[in-house]
Amino acid sequence: SQQGEEDPQALSIQEGENATMNCSYKTSINNLQWYRQNSGRGLVHLILIRSNEREKHSGRLRVTLDTSKKSSSLLITASRAADTASYFCAVRREYGNKLVFGAGTILRVKS
Amino acid sequence: GAGVSQSPRYKVAKRGQDVALRCDPISGHVSLFWYQQALGQGPEFLTYFQNEAQLDKSGLPSDRFFAERPEGSVSTLKIQRTQQEDSAVYLCASSLYLIPPGQGAIDSYNEQFFGPGTRLTVL
Repeated sequence: SQQGEEDPQALSIQEGENATMNCSYKTSINNLQWYRQNSGRGLVHLILIRSNEREKHSGRLRVTLDTSKKSSSLLITASRAADTASYFCAVRREYGNKLVFGAGTILRVKS
Repeated sequence: GAGVSQSPRYKVAKRGQDVALRCDPISGHVSLFWYQQALGQGPEFLTYFQNEAQLDKSGLPSDRFFAERPEGSVSTLKIQRTQQEDSAVYLCASSLYLIPPGQGAIDSYNEQFFGPGTRLTVL
């Protein structure tokens, strides 16, 4: 079974708006990662935040992590039509190598 | 090659057939992972290799699923006597470094690079 849960399940916004997706998980983690998946393509790694970090930025992406609440959020600023995709959070547990994914958020950016 | 490749990209099998899915990881990558992604869901871990050793196969759903990586590079996921519930996208990922089991240093990190997947449809 999957570890994380993302919300919302689906999000539709206008180009230029910001998109926020949330992720919750259940166990202690080493890090949390966000991935993007376009229709028919593999997963692309977007950003990683370690368990001792609270916020991280990469371009138009901002990730926060609250280990006390076991939750994370991904903010995409100034969205573009090309950001339309499914977004997944994945946690790497404190010990081990495998990633445990959530069910994903489907983002649609309308131009 | 530049990235992880998988073949075939699409496979249609009749129920009861055996299938073999291939993964070519990035050259030199020590770790290789297989994930199963059902429609509308996130990927779920199946199994993991360090070189040729299969260190974790806890995610394999049944004994009909078998994976190997005999020379520590290319890997094959085999599904015997396929069932309709096996229909999914099978993703392979590889990573360069290896964190030994039990050493969960907070700065340890292996980025996993994913292939495009094989979409298996069982009729």
